[in-house]
Amino acid sequence: QKEVEQDPGPLSVPEGAIVSLNCTYSNSAFQYFMWYRQYSRKGPELLMYTYSSGNKEDGRFTAQVDKSSKYISLFIRDSQPSDSATYLCAMSGGSNFGNEKLTFGTGTRLTIIP
Amino acid sequence: GAGVSQSPSNKVTEKGKDVELRCDPISGHTALYWYRQSLGQGLEFLIYFQGNSAPDKSGLPSDRFSAERTGGSVSTLTIQRTQQEDSAVYLCASSAQRGQETQYFGPGTRLLVL
Repeated sequence: QKEVEQDPGPLSVPEGAIVSLNCTYSNSAFQYFMWYRQYSRKGPELLMYTYSSGNKEDGRFTAQVDKSSKYISLFIRDSQPSDSATYLCAMSGGSNFGNEKLTFGTGTRLTIIP
Repeated sequence: GAGVSQSPSNKVTEKGKDVELRCDPISGHTALYWYRQSLGQGLEFLIYFQGNSAPDKSGLPSDRFSAERTGGSVSTLTIQRTQQEDSAVYLCASSAQRGQETQYFGPGTRLLVL
């Protein structure tokens, strides 16, 4: 079983819809949670970064972390065709614990239909 | 400022040949990471540098893989005697300093071993 599980999709939604993307994880040492967006043939681009449990909002994007359930989510409001990409969750134990490396989900491929 | 850059962007090689992949991190970033992204495997950690030293090499898949970093800046990932299963996108990321958990990725080098 992988440390981080993510539904690979593909996920297709109409423009303007709310998108919900999720990951579950098994390693309780994870403290830092990130969402990256990756367009085809490009490197991952950092979207959201959250420490420990809680919510964080940035424009149309909201990240949620529930450490008790080992479950993280990314919500995209008013989705746009330009949001079509692969979304990767990533997490780490943090450099203060000597655990800097990121562990990634496999990514969810999202398509926003105009 | 400039982001993480990688070269070459694409590399085609024959089985058994050696290849060198280069990463230029964001100026001033002390931490540098190499990851590999392959179909069905997602993004996998290879090695982490803090300055010129590599405290975590746990992700290197075999002794054919090695990496070095000089001057606390440029890093080179070397794959000796390449195999077809080495075909993947090799991604480099950097972060500002220990305690800064966000990693910024380059565009990757697409390696194809024939």
